[in-house]
Amino acid sequence: SQKIEQNSEALNIQEGKTATLTCNYTNYSPAYLQWYRQDPGRGPVFLLLIRENEKEKRKERLKVTFDTTLKQSLFHITASQPADSATYLCALDGGGNQGGKLIFGQGTELSVKP
Amino acid sequence: DTAVSQTPKYLVTQMGNDKSIKCEQNLGHDTMYWYKQDSKKFLKIMFSYNNKELIINETVPNRFSPKSPDKAHLNLHINSLELGDSAVYFCASTPLEGTEAFFGQGTRLTVV
Repeated sequence: SQKIEQNSEALNIQEGKTATLTCNYTNYSPAYLQWYRQDPGRGPVFLLLIRENEKEKRKERLKVTFDTTLKQSLFHITASQPADSATYLCALDGGGNQGGKLIFGQGTELSVKP
Repeated sequence: DTAVSQTPKYLVTQMGNDKSIKCEQNLGHDTMYWYKQDSKKFLKIMFSYNNKELIINETVPNRFSPKSPDKAHLNLHINSLELGDSAVYFCASTPLEGTEAFFGQGTRLTVV
Protein backbone atom coordinates (compact mmCIF):
# COMPACT_ATOMS: atom_id res chain seq x y z
CA SER A 1 0.00 0.00 0.00
CA GLN A 2 1.04 3.61 -0.43
CA LYS A 3 3.28 4.97 2.28
CA ILE A 4 4.22 8.59 2.83
CA GLU A 5 6.74 9.87 5.36
CA GLN A 6 7.83 13.35 6.33
CA ASN A 7 11.43 13.58 7.40
CA SER A 8 11.00 14.76 10.94
CA GLU A 9 8.28 15.47 13.40
CA ALA A 10 9.82 18.79 14.44
CA LEU A 11 12.16 21.31 12.88
CA ASN A 12 13.57 24.36 14.67
CA ILE A 13 15.23 27.15 12.73
CA GLN A 14 16.28 30.76 13.18
CA GLU A 15 14.31 33.61 11.67
CA GLY A 16 15.59 34.58 8.25
CA LYS A 17 16.92 31.12 7.40
CA THR A 18 15.46 28.75 4.84
CA ALA A 19 13.35 25.89 6.18
CA THR A 20 13.47 22.69 4.15
CA LEU A 21 10.93 19.95 4.77
CA THR A 22 11.06 16.54 3.13
CA CYS A 23 8.31 14.20 2.02
CA ASN A 24 9.12 10.68 0.81
CA TYR A 25 6.73 8.12 -0.56
CA THR A 26 6.89 4.45 -1.55
CA ASN A 27 4.86 1.87 -3.43
CA TYR A 28 3.19 4.49 -5.52
CA SER A 29 3.44 6.95 -8.39
CA PRO A 30 1.16 9.89 -7.60
CA ALA A 31 -0.20 12.13 -10.30
CA TYR A 32 0.26 15.12 -7.98
CA LEU A 33 1.42 16.09 -4.53
CA GLN A 34 0.12 18.87 -2.29
CA TRP A 35 1.41 20.75 0.73
CA TYR A 36 -0.81 22.11 3.49
CA ARG A 37 -0.27 24.22 6.59
CA GLN A 38 -2.09 23.41 9.82
CA ASP A 39 -2.20 25.69 12.86
CA PRO A 40 -3.25 24.37 16.30
CA GLY A 41 -7.02 23.94 16.55
CA ARG A 42 -7.55 24.71 12.87
CA GLY A 43 -8.09 22.76 9.67
CA PRO A 44 -5.33 22.30 7.08
CA VAL A 45 -4.92 25.16 4.61
CA PHE A 46 -3.76 24.49 1.06
CA LEU A 47 -0.40 25.97 0.03
CA LEU A 48 0.86 24.41 -3.21
CA LEU A 49 0.12 21.61 -5.66
CA ILE A 50 2.74 20.12 -7.96
CA ARG A 51 2.00 17.61 -10.71
CA GLU A 52 4.13 14.65 -11.72
CA ASN A 53 5.33 16.38 -14.89
CA GLU A 54 6.46 19.49 -12.98
CA LYS A 55 9.87 19.70 -11.34
CA GLU A 56 9.37 22.86 -9.32
CA LYS A 57 6.71 25.31 -8.29
CA ARG A 58 6.95 28.65 -6.48
CA LYS A 59 4.58 30.92 -4.63
CA GLU A 60 6.01 33.99 -2.92
CA ARG A 61 8.52 32.67 -0.32
CA LEU A 62 7.47 29.04 -0.88
CA LYS A 63 9.06 26.55 -3.28
CA VAL A 64 8.17 22.92 -3.87
CA THR A 65 10.15 20.37 -5.86
CA PHE A 66 8.97 16.96 -7.02
CA ASP A 67 11.44 14.22 -7.94
CA THR A 68 9.51 11.19 -9.21
CA THR A 69 12.73 9.16 -9.54
CA LEU A 70 13.69 9.66 -5.90
CA LYS A 71 9.99 9.59 -4.91
CA GLN A 72 10.53 12.73 -2.92
CA SER A 73 9.20 16.25 -2.57
CA LEU A 74 11.03 19.10 -0.88
CA PHE A 75 9.21 22.11 0.54
CA HIS A 76 11.22 25.28 1.14
CA ILE A 77 10.29 28.45 3.01
CA THR A 78 12.85 31.17 2.36
CA ALA A 79 13.45 34.12 4.70
CA SER A 80 11.42 32.32 7.36
CA GLN A 81 9.46 34.30 9.93
CA PRO A 82 8.03 33.36 13.36
CA ALA A 83 4.58 33.54 11.71
CA ASP A 84 5.60 30.56 9.56
CA SER A 85 5.59 28.38 12.69
CA ALA A 86 2.99 25.65 12.14
CA THR A 87 2.66 22.00 11.14
CA TYR A 88 3.18 21.32 7.45
CA LEU A 89 1.55 18.32 5.82
CA CYS A 90 2.30 16.74 2.48
CA ALA A 91 -0.40 14.76 0.71
CA LEU A 92 -0.51 12.48 -2.31
CA ASP A 93 -3.48 11.86 -4.52
CA GLY A 94 -5.11 8.53 -3.87
CA GLY A 95 -4.96 7.37 -7.46
CA GLY A 96 -7.43 7.00 -10.29
CA ASN A 97 -11.10 6.46 -9.44
CA GLN A 98 -10.37 7.26 -5.81
CA GLY A 99 -12.80 10.15 -5.56
CA GLY A 100 -10.09 12.74 -5.04
CA LYS A 101 -8.97 11.32 -1.71
CA LEU A 102 -5.66 12.53 -0.31
CA ILE A 103 -3.13 10.41 1.58
CA PHE A 104 -1.38 12.55 4.19
CA GLY A 105 2.01 12.33 5.84
CA GLN A 106 2.26 12.69 9.59
CA GLY A 107 3.34 16.32 9.36
CA THR A 108 6.43 18.29 10.35
CA GLU A 109 6.07 20.87 13.11
CA LEU A 110 8.13 23.91 12.16
CA SER A 111 9.21 26.39 14.80
CA VAL A 112 10.88 29.61 13.67
CA LYS A 113 12.68 31.44 16.49
CA PRO A 114 13.19 35.22 16.42
CA ASP B 1 -17.84 34.17 4.83
CA THR B 2 -16.78 30.74 6.04
CA ALA B 3 -16.17 28.41 3.09
CA VAL B 4 -16.51 25.05 4.88
CA SER B 5 -18.21 25.15 8.24
CA GLN B 6 -18.68 22.35 10.74
CA THR B 7 -20.79 22.17 13.87
CA PRO B 8 -20.20 21.64 16.66
CA LYS B 9 -16.54 22.57 17.19
CA TYR B 10 -16.37 20.51 20.38
CA LEU B 11 -18.39 17.44 21.33
CA VAL B 12 -18.05 15.55 24.60
CA THR B 13 -20.26 12.53 25.04
CA GLN B 14 -20.50 9.20 26.82
CA MET B 15 -19.76 5.77 25.38
CA GLY B 16 -22.73 4.21 23.69
CA ASN B 17 -24.37 7.48 22.68
CA ASP B 18 -25.27 8.48 19.12
CA LYS B 19 -24.10 11.85 17.80
CA SER B 20 -24.02 13.83 14.58
CA ILE B 21 -21.59 16.36 13.11
CA LYS B 22 -22.83 18.74 10.43
CA CYS B 23 -20.88 20.19 7.52
CA GLU B 24 -21.81 22.79 4.96
CA GLN B 25 -19.79 24.35 2.14
CA ASN B 26 -20.76 27.51 0.26
CA LEU B 27 -18.13 27.12 -2.46
CA GLY B 28 -20.31 25.31 -4.99
CA HIS B 29 -18.01 22.28 -4.92
CA ASP B 30 -19.22 18.89 -6.11
CA THR B 31 -17.05 16.69 -3.89
CA MET B 32 -17.05 16.56 -0.10
CA TYR B 33 -15.08 14.46 2.36
CA TRP B 34 -14.75 13.41 5.96
CA TYR B 35 -11.28 12.96 7.38
CA LYS B 36 -10.26 11.77 10.86
CA GLN B 37 -7.16 13.12 12.64
CA ASP B 38 -6.00 10.96 15.50
CA SER B 39 -3.92 11.87 18.54
CA LYS B 40 -0.71 11.40 16.51
CA LYS B 41 -1.96 14.01 14.03
CA PHE B 42 -2.39 11.52 11.19
CA LEU B 43 -5.12 12.73 8.87
CA LYS B 44 -6.96 9.84 7.22
CA ILE B 45 -9.81 9.79 4.70
CA MET B 46 -13.07 8.26 5.85
CA PHE B 47 -15.62 9.08 3.14
CA SER B 48 -15.87 10.89 -0.15
CA TYR B 49 -19.11 12.06 -1.76
CA ASN B 50 -19.56 13.47 -5.24
CA ASN B 51 -22.79 15.33 -5.88
CA LYS B 52 -24.58 13.43 -3.11
CA GLU B 53 -23.27 10.00 -4.14
CA LEU B 54 -20.87 7.95 -2.00
CA ILE B 55 -17.57 7.43 -3.83
CA ILE B 56 -15.22 6.21 -1.10
CA ASN B 57 -15.78 4.36 2.13
CA GLU B 58 -12.36 3.66 3.60
CA THR B 59 -13.22 0.57 5.66
CA VAL B 60 -14.89 2.69 8.26
CA PRO B 61 -17.06 0.77 10.79
CA ASN B 62 -20.71 0.86 9.82
CA ARG B 63 -21.44 2.73 13.06
CA PHE B 64 -20.38 5.74 10.99
CA SER B 65 -22.97 6.78 8.44
CA PRO B 66 -22.51 9.83 6.24
CA LYS B 67 -25.55 11.56 4.80
CA SER B 68 -25.60 14.09 2.00
CA PRO B 69 -29.02 15.76 1.62
CA ASP B 70 -27.61 17.98 -1.15
CA LYS B 71 -24.22 18.66 -2.63
CA ALA B 72 -23.55 21.52 -0.20
CA HIS B 73 -24.00 19.39 2.92
CA LEU B 74 -22.34 16.25 4.22
CA ASN B 75 -23.24 15.18 7.73
CA LEU B 76 -21.65 12.43 9.78
CA HIS B 77 -23.71 10.34 12.15
CA ILE B 78 -22.00 8.03 14.61
CA ASN B 79 -23.86 5.30 16.49
CA SER B 80 -22.82 3.58 19.71
CA LEU B 81 -19.79 5.77 20.29
CA GLU B 82 -16.62 4.09 21.57
CA LEU B 83 -13.58 5.49 23.37
CA GLY B 84 -11.49 4.91 20.23
CA ASP B 85 -13.70 7.28 18.26
CA SER B 86 -12.17 10.21 20.14
CA ALA B 87 -10.39 12.32 17.52
CA VAL B 88 -10.73 15.48 15.48
CA TYR B 89 -13.03 15.09 12.47
CA PHE B 90 -12.57 17.36 9.47
CA CYS B 91 -14.96 18.00 6.65
CA ALA B 92 -13.45 19.13 3.33
CA SER B 93 -14.52 19.90 -0.21
CA THR B 94 -12.89 20.17 -3.63
CA PRO B 95 -14.20 21.61 -6.90
CA LEU B 96 -12.76 18.72 -8.87
CA GLU B 97 -10.64 15.70 -8.11
CA GLY B 98 -6.98 16.53 -8.18
CA THR B 99 -7.35 20.06 -6.91
CA GLU B 100 -6.86 21.80 -3.61
CA ALA B 101 -9.03 20.76 -0.71
CA PHE B 102 -10.78 23.27 1.54
CA PHE B 103 -11.09 22.07 5.13
CA GLY B 104 -13.46 23.04 7.90
CA GLN B 105 -12.12 24.02 11.32
CA GLY B 106 -12.66 20.52 12.71
CA THR B 107 -14.84 18.93 15.38
CA ARG B 108 -13.02 17.61 18.42
CA LEU B 109 -14.95 14.57 19.61
CA THR B 110 -14.20 13.24 23.07
CA VAL B 111 -15.86 10.03 24.20
CA VAL B 112 -15.77 9.42 27.95
